[in-house]
Amino acid sequence: DTAVSQTPKYLVTQMGNDKSIKCEQNLGHDTMYWYKQDSKKFLKIMFSYNNKELIINETVPNRFSPKSPDKAHLNLHINSLELGDSAVYFCASSPGQYNGELFFGEGSRLTVL
Amino acid sequence: AQSVTQPDIHITVSEGASLELRCNYSYGATPYLFWYVQSPGQGLQLLLKYFSGDTLVQGIKGFEAEFKRSQSSFNLRKPSVHWSDAAEYFCAVGSTEIIRKTSYDKVIFGPGTSLSVIP
Repeated sequence: DTAVSQTPKYLVTQMGNDKSIKCEQNLGHDTMYWYKQDSKKFLKIMFSYNNKELIINETVPNRFSPKSPDKAHLNLHINSLELGDSAVYFCASSPGQYNGELFFGEGSRLTVL
Repeated sequence: AQSVTQPDIHITVSEGASLELRCNYSYGATPYLFWYVQSPGQGLQLLLKYFSGDTLVQGIKGFEAEFKRSQSSFNLRKPSVHWSDAAEYFCAVGSTEIIRKTSYDKVIFGPGTSLSVIP
């Protein structure tokens, strides 16, 4: 069983469209994250949820809206896609409680044309 | 605020040679420190972590790292590199923070070091 799974793995779309990426973890972790990895491999945290509650929003544009229907799922919806949104988006989870270790999904590569 | 630097963007070593990847961090207290590896097209996998105690930590795949508080460093080492070690390596610093009475772990990554291995 995959611990942290994301769908879709690849996404190609036109500017201005709206798209979603889904993430599920079966590790029983309380905390989930979205990270963005740009073309230079730089990883930047976007959001963090703890037990369905938004904890971190790292000055991400309002076009990005995370949703956590339950603590095992954290989805990312992006409105009005722009060229600069092209990146690999990684979902991760952690047990929290002073642990710090992140468990990553395989990433979703978004290409905006 | 936490920050992590990895001075080497890209390193090339011959198979069988030793390896050291550098990492420096900035954080007010003793942080959690991590090294992650990312193979092409994959997510990140934890190699090792330091929370407290012995400053030399052992990880998977024969890697080790040494925490040096005086130098704010957490360098990754491997005595003999294998071709399969070619990947992107990320150093990260973590802390546990409290927001609205909830503790959560915040992890900040360095820019990464790309490792190439010559057969």
